[in-house]
Amino acid sequence: AQSVAQPEDQVNVAEGNPLTVKCTYSVSGNPYLFWYVQYPNRGLQFLLKYITGDNLVKGSYGFEAEFNKSQTSFHLKKPSALVSASAVNFCAVRDGGGFKTIFGAGTRLFVKA
Amino acid sequence: ETGVTQTPRHLVMGMTNKKSLKCEQHLGHNAMYWYKQSAKKPLELMFVYSLEERVENNSVPSRFSPECPNSSHLFLHLHTLQPEDSALYLCASSQDSQGMTYEQYFGPGTRLTVT
Repeated sequence: AQSVAQPEDQVNVAEGNPLTVKCTYSVSGNPYLFWYVQYPNRGLQFLLKYITGDNLVKGSYGFEAEFNKSQTSFHLKKPSALVSASAVNFCAVRDGGGFKTIFGAGTRLFVKA
Repeated sequence: ETGVTQTPRHLVMGMTNKKSLKCEQHLGHNAMYWYKQSAKKPLELMFVYSLEERVENNSVPSRFSPECPNSSHLFLHLHTLQPEDSALYLCASSQDSQGMTYEQYFGPGTRLTVT
């Protein structure tokens, strides 16, 4: 069965500092991995994905994520945090060609000016 | 209109009412989804339609009834709901055949309150 774990309810970081939001996953087949962001009173917005290829993927708003197969992780990173990045970030995994996508519980990112 | 739109944005209904949520996608996608987002819980997949056929039904109570008349429209019909059904209901779409992208594009959601 698929599962996603986001071990941190909240990540606090000062503006300009690097940030990492953690995600680990479990699937039986090839993992398709995603990060989404949700701003208040909005739906989720797609940030980036890993399907195959280079383990480091780059996405919207300067975010990137690194796929680590041995550690079954897909952590979200940003070299320099902005206050505007404060939101809830969701990691998600899809088991290969299936339609079912499992979302993590979300991590609230708070960037302090 | 662009992206994925949902109406209404807010809905308050009694337990004996019947109402419908509407979703429309303007992206040319061929798969559509309903999710339930409750406070302090992960996003719950309810239904998936691919090419207008239901391909996932995630043990959702029968008081929720989906309808997908074409690849651009998705409805969620609601009747005799319970207070615990109060949540944000999100619609999403994706392209899942030729030109596959897999990522989902979400609407803004309908905030449902059952009284």
